[in-house]
Amino acid sequence: GQQVMQIPQYQHVQEGEDFTTYCNSSTTLSNIQWYKQRPGGHPVFLIQLVKSGEVKKQKRLTFQFGEAKKNSSLHITATQTTDVGTYFCAGRSSNTGKLIFGQGTTLQVKP
Amino acid sequence: KAGVTQTPRYLIKTRGQQVTLSCSPISGHRSVSWYQQTPGQGLQFLFEYFSETQRNKGNFPGRFSGRQFSNSRSEMNVSTLELGDSALYLCASSREGRVETQYFGPGTRLLVL
Repeated sequence: GQQVMQIPQYQHVQEGEDFTTYCNSSTTLSNIQWYKQRPGGHPVFLIQLVKSGEVKKQKRLTFQFGEAKKNSSLHITATQTTDVGTYFCAGRSSNTGKLIFGQGTTLQVKP
Repeated sequence: KAGVTQTPRYLIKTRGQQVTLSCSPISGHRSVSWYQQTPGQGLQFLFEYFSETQRNKGNFPGRFSGRQFSNSRSEMNVSTLELGDSALYLCASSREGRVETQYFGPGTRLLVL
């Protein structure tokens, strides 16, 4: 079945360092969404990408959707302690319409 | 606008029992999806309901079932509970479901002993 792989699983960074998480799908996606889950909380929507090659920015966060609409990335510039949490990508299958979540990348930021 | 609400927030059951979890979506949202979240497996899609019809289903055994009511509220039921069913069960709603963002509720944390 369709899979969405996300790497790395964990990342520890020093405050001020950059961070990137990558998402790869086995099938073409109609869109991809990114969510952030703080420890003890629930996933909160960050952004949705729909177009091939799309790049969107939210302050220090940069999101990309691959040309083939099979991969995506989230890059955080100059991490802060408030960035701590687990970042999930979620791809919507072009075929089935199902929203499949990646395993998530848990980010720890050392002050 | 009130967010997605889930009840109960915490639940302890024993093996073999059954459980029903409830989800009230954001007003005006017609799509409700359910997910199981465990440390080892991440977020696993259970099913999606739209206008009282199951639109999509994940790869879970038949012990997991759900339904949606005419007011868009949804319930999921797990029968014959197993230890491995211990997890955080998250409900998410959206207006139409297909291309829109999902708004998650706080979840129901189920512990099976």
